[in-house]
Amino acid sequence: DGGITQSPKYLFRKEGQNVTLSCEQNLNHDAMYWYRQDPGQGLRLIYYSQIVNDFQKGDIAEGYSVSREKKESFPLTVTSAQKNPTAFYLCASSIMSATNEKLFFGSGTQLSVL
Amino acid sequence: EDQVTQSPEALRLQEGESSSLNCSYTVSGLRGLFWYRQDPGKGPEFLFTLYSAGEEKEKERLKATLTKKESFLHITAPKPEDSATYLCAVQGRSSYKLIFGSGTRLLVRP
Repeated sequence: DGGITQSPKYLFRKEGQNVTLSCEQNLNHDAMYWYRQDPGQGLRLIYYSQIVNDFQKGDIAEGYSVSREKKESFPLTVTSAQKNPTAFYLCASSIMSATNEKLFFGSGTQLSVL
Repeated sequence: EDQVTQSPEALRLQEGESSSLNCSYTVSGLRGLFWYRQDPGKGPEFLFTLYSAGEEKEKERLKATLTKKESFLHITAPKPEDSATYLCAVQGRSSYKLIFGSGTRLLVRP
């Protein structure tokens, strides 16, 4: 089945530690995205990538980093510079057509601070 | 600045009690308005895309409508399995990204 796979489902970070969230898609989509979701708030865009080896900052990129070395993969690193990392992280992809930016989402990773 | 506001924040319905969720938006040239359903601990699932005022789309007990300032998600005779958070998002012509509202948490009691 085609889809987006995020791992792990749950992740704990110690103070000063960098952690990496995995996102893999087999939908052959060009664009991939990372969103952060906090309780009672809308999804906020962290980073997005429209093509391999290229990515752009979203609204809340500080304290995060990404890479896009393969079309299928878009890992997110939460660095120690992100002082409030506890949130639900969602990866998404889209075809990037001119008329439809429908997003397909993964099942999310819940990150908590120890 | 593009903005999306959803109301109410939470809604409790009895099974079979129809109602509507509201999504008000401000965007510089609407390219598309999207509705998603999100179950607890899972990623959002796509429901509808609306492109222009007057457009309507239906799926089972759900019907989405669009005006120049807002969209409604009408739920007819809801069932407990319709319980979820419903998210609205807009995409404007000046920006590539989607702007999401904070969602409406719907609980349908048997």
